[in-house]
Amino acid sequence: EPEVTQTPSHQVTQMGQEVILRCVPISNHLYFYWYRQILGQKVEFLVSFYNNEISEKSEIFDDQFSVERPDGSNFTLKIRSTKLEDSAMYFCASSRDYTAHEQYFGPGTRLTVT
Amino acid sequence: QKEVEQNSGPLSVPEGAIASLNCTYSDRGSQSFFWYRQYSGKSPELIMFIYSNGDKEDGRFTAQLNKASQYVSLLIRDSQPSDSATYLCAVAAGTASKLTFGTGTRLQVTL
Repeated sequence: EPEVTQTPSHQVTQMGQEVILRCVPISNHLYFYWYRQILGQKVEFLVSFYNNEISEKSEIFDDQFSVERPDGSNFTLKIRSTKLEDSAMYFCASSRDYTAHEQYFGPGTRLTVT
Repeated sequence: QKEVEQNSGPLSVPEGAIASLNCTYSDRGSQSFFWYRQYSGKSPELIMFIYSNGDKEDGRFTAQLNKASQYVSLLIRDSQPSDSATYLCAVAAGTASKLTFGTGTRLQVTL
């Protein structure tokens, strides 16, 4: 059964550094999402992406964040200058199309900012 | 602020019993409703989705939706210890829209 994959599983970085989190969505899916979950808190939406454009973004997704689909398989989330409060689990999700819009999540990347 | 509310639990049920998990949402325009299971330290796993009022059954799971009351529930029949997890209710305003999650209900199935 196809799955969303994410790399790395754990990333440790120093405050102010740039990080890139990578995701490979399910191959025939057209809609891509990033969510995050701070330890002990609820899952929060960051951004959605369709047809090489951001469809929607939350207040969390400020100028420090960007997303890209650099090729036909990868979908990346870049944080330009990490802050301590960026420490969280970051989940990538994908959904097939407009009619089958159930979102399937990857295993996540745990980002630790020190 | 569009909210999704769940009782945080823990909800404790004996093995073999029915577990009933509830969720309310504030956005009356919501169209799609999802239940995810999340084991500790893992990612959300989609277990049920429902788009129309009424019941939807899949194996041991039944999702119930009442849009007039803005209420979604998940029933788990014949609960197993492996069902012990946090169950997240998520709501979307439209197709391919962002999910708004509740804080989740922790379910404990006891032997």
